[in-house]
Amino acid sequence: QKEVEQNSGPLSVPEGAIASLNCTYSDRGSQSFFWYRQYSGKSPELIMFIYSNGDKEDGRFTAQLNKASQYVSLLIRDSQPSDSATYLCAVAYFSGGYQKVTFGTGTKLQVIP
Amino acid sequence: NAGVTQTPKFRILKIGQSMTLQCTQDMNHNYMYWYRQDPGMGLKLIYYSVGAGITDKGEVPNGYNVSRSTTEDFPLRLELAAPSQTSVYFCASSIGGALTMADEQFFGPGTRLTVL
Repeated sequence: QKEVEQNSGPLSVPEGAIASLNCTYSDRGSQSFFWYRQYSGKSPELIMFIYSNGDKEDGRFTAQLNKASQYVSLLIRDSQPSDSATYLCAVAYFSGGYQKVTFGTGTKLQVIP
Repeated sequence: NAGVTQTPKFRILKIGQSMTLQCTQDMNHNYMYWYRQDPGMGLKLIYYSVGAGITDKGEVPNGYNVSRSTTEDFPLRLELAAPSQTSVYFCASSIGGALTMADEQFFGPGTRLTVL
């Protein structure tokens, strides 16, 4: 069973601060890593993906991947109250010729105005 | 494009009843998925399909069945509903394929099911 671990939170940060969300995974063969955002009562939506070691930036969001440590993180700069949501880490790997994805349980982020 | 649509949005079932949750996507995606999400929990994969006529079990398949006769549709069947099946059900789709490193999943709005 492929495992993806996240701290459930809630993680509370003041408006304007940097929020740091972390995720570890068990399978060294994992190839692609995704961050989904889920507002309460809504469906998940993709924020970012990363598959190479290092950082990937998109606006206020930065994904960081360290395959040696089996660790992926999401940084949200200048956090806004609208960023308050649950953030799901998802890890993809290939098995039997097909890509399969395992989701973490999510970290709830609260941005305090 | 409507994306991924699910019906119904809400449903209350009595123990032992059966129902089908409908899911349709209009993006010509190969892969489709069914997840359940219990309160405060992550997504658990029930079944998935990599193409028409091909389905496979996920993490929690017991009590459910699926079929995929077309690329667009992926219905989920609940037989003999039990209170443990009370959850929010999400259908998702993705392009799929071995060459897709960033296979984004697109989710439907969900079906909130209560079994009493």
